[in-house]
Amino acid sequence: AQSVTQPDIHITVSEGASLELRCNYSYGATPYLFWYVQSPGQGLQLLLKYFSGDTLVQGIKGFEAEFKRSQSSFNLRKPSVHWSDAAEYFCAVDDKIIFGKGTRLHILP
Amino acid sequence: NAGVTQTPKFRILKIGQSMTLQCAQDMNHNYMYWYRQDPGMGLKLIYYSVGAGITDKGEVPNGYNVSRSTTEDFPLRLELAAPSQTSVYFCASRPGTGNQPQHFGDGTRLSIL
Repeated sequence: AQSVTQPDIHITVSEGASLELRCNYSYGATPYLFWYVQSPGQGLQLLLKYFSGDTLVQGIKGFEAEFKRSQSSFNLRKPSVHWSDAAEYFCAVDDKIIFGKGTRLHILP
Repeated sequence: NAGVTQTPKFRILKIGQSMTLQCAQDMNHNYMYWYRQDPGMGLKLIYYSVGAGITDKGEVPNGYNVSRSTTEDFPLRLELAAPSQTSVYFCASRPGTGNQPQHFGDGTRLSIL
């Protein structure tokens, strides 16, 4: 069965530090993968997506993610976080959009 | 540039009452979805639709019904509200399957007391 695992429920980083949010998926074929961000009281906004080609994809707000088939992973990265990046981040896979449980990112000033 | 519009934004219901959560999109998207979001649980798919007149169950359909009489609208119906249905409900749409991302509404926060 398809599934998405985000191992970290909460992550705290200092402003200006680098960030990596983990996502592992279970899927029988090459998946379509997405990262969404949700600010408090808002819906989800697409950060980036992967469906084929270059395994390193660039998204909005300076985020990038790398698809690693051998590790069934699609980790989200940002070189230097800003206080405005504090939000909840969701990894999702494929047609019916199976979501992970989310990672809440906290930023220390 | 409305996108996906959900109404109401907030609602409090008594146990056993019924209500309809409205969702409309103006992007001519074929696919529409309803999710519920509970703390620490991510989003769970309730129902989805691949086009007008076609609906199908998601992961957690019990206690809900949907209809899709037009491309634009995808209302979610709660017939007998239960405390377990207290949640934040999100509607989403997308043009098609595969690599097409979803567009989300801002959500409806529903409390059943």
